[in-house]
Amino acid sequence: NAGVTQTPKFQVLKTGQSMTLQCAQDMNHEYMSWYRQDPGMGLRLIHYSVGAGITDQGEVPNGYNVSRSTTEDFPLRLLSAAPSQTSVYFCASSSITGELFFGEGSRLTVL
Amino acid sequence: EDKVVQSPLSLVVHEGDTVTLNCSYEVTNFRSLLWYKQEKKAPTFLFMLTSSGIEKKSGRLSSILDKKELFSILNITATQTGDSAIYLCAVDRQGAQKLVFGQGTRLTINP
Repeated sequence: NAGVTQTPKFQVLKTGQSMTLQCAQDMNHEYMSWYRQDPGMGLRLIHYSVGAGITDQGEVPNGYNVSRSTTEDFPLRLLSAAPSQTSVYFCASSSITGELFFGEGSRLTVL
Repeated sequence: EDKVVQSPLSLVVHEGDTVTLNCSYEVTNFRSLLWYKQEKKAPTFLFMLTSSGIEKKSGRLSSILDKKELFSILNITATQTGDSAIYLCAVDRQGAQKLVFGQGTRLTINP
């Protein structure tokens, strides 16, 4: 019962460093998405994908890149980390019904 | 701009009390409203509401949607300490897999 798996769970970066948050799902869901969660602001959509090879921007895409080469995987890349990207990141997947299944989150700190 | 607003943002009650959490929304192409519970890690799905006036119920939790007045409520009766969590409301829009989340309500149940 893996569901949605995110790695790493914790990461500390220095300003300007790059990194990739990995996300994999084993439910054969077409839709995958990345959210960030900041105190008092709920979850905000960064990028999403409706299938392999198709991605689109959400509410807060700046500073992040994504790709979707397979149905299972949807990595999120930070090209040049900034302190404003300190947050908890959630990957999620869903079938066509729209109910999202979330990974356990990745806590990122940018110094 | 699509918007989901939850109230109150924080609530502290005693075990056994009944609580009502509110969610109002202004979105284009509404499809459904979803409630999630978030304890320490990933949000977990509670309810999906698509039709106005039909109550969804699961044990001590229930929820109803009013599509005319654009709001939903989540009721929890006979609260227990295990109900302590952040409760998130989100709205799904037709034609896109883009959930818009509210800020969340942090519920604390004291013994």
